[in-house]
Amino acid sequence: EIVLTQSPGTLSLSPGERATLSCRASQSFSSIYLAWYQQKPGQAPRLLIYGASSRATGIPDRFSGSGSGTDFTLTISRLEPEDFAVYYCQQYGDSVLTFGGGTKVEIK
Amino acid sequence: QVQLQESGPGLVKPSQTLSLTCIVSGDSISSRSHYWTWIRQPAGKRLEWIGRIYSTGSTNYNPSLKSRVSISVDTSKNQFSLKLSSVTAADTAFYYCARSGLFPEDNYFDPWGQGTQVTVSS
Repeated sequence: EIVLTQSPGTLSLSPGERATLSCRASQSFSSIYLAWYQQKPGQAPRLLIYGASSRATGIPDRFSGSGSGTDFTLTISRLEPEDFAVYYCQQYGDSVLTFGGGTKVEIK
Repeated sequence: QVQLQESGPGLVKPSQTLSLTCIVSGDSISSRSHYWTWIRQPAGKRLEWIGRIYSTGSTNYNPSLKSRVSISVDTSKNQFSLKLSSVTAADTAFYYCARSGLFPEDNYFDPWGQGTQVTVSS
């Protein structure tokens, strides 16, 4: 099974700042099999990015994804108040679908 | 729009079977264009994929749970269900149902149900 490690565990930033979240895989896989989700307290995860870099329907363009092989990145160009949440990466290239441990983006 | 809603007991006794149902609206399970999935999240831990089912009844399970899991589908009611046997406190979690695409490159989860908390305790 592919293990995804997200870093940092917590990111403390101010509104308007840029957020860079990392997701590292235990083995290489095609970038078409990498997704990112946002989860706010008391809510289900929401799909942000699929195929490593394609935004889901209705997702603002301040969210962008990149990466390949074992290293993937989610970037939020300018944090809005509603962006403070937990973010998870997920791979779906293996027979066992797995998630990262999450990065919490909190208000500094 | 597509909506999923989980339902089932919030409290299950140890060694018993956890049973949840996910009702789908806005899409037909019989359309044969998606997988229907269960995912769980223990408090403070990462999300864990439990397994999925196709409209024909074909299933895939996480090997870590395979011996205890059964997912079934009722196309007449447009719903699918999860059974997890011999539960322990380690099975206490928020349980979500979700939809994913049919092809490997579409196996991300969208949308998700709101989730339901299941606690295993005597």
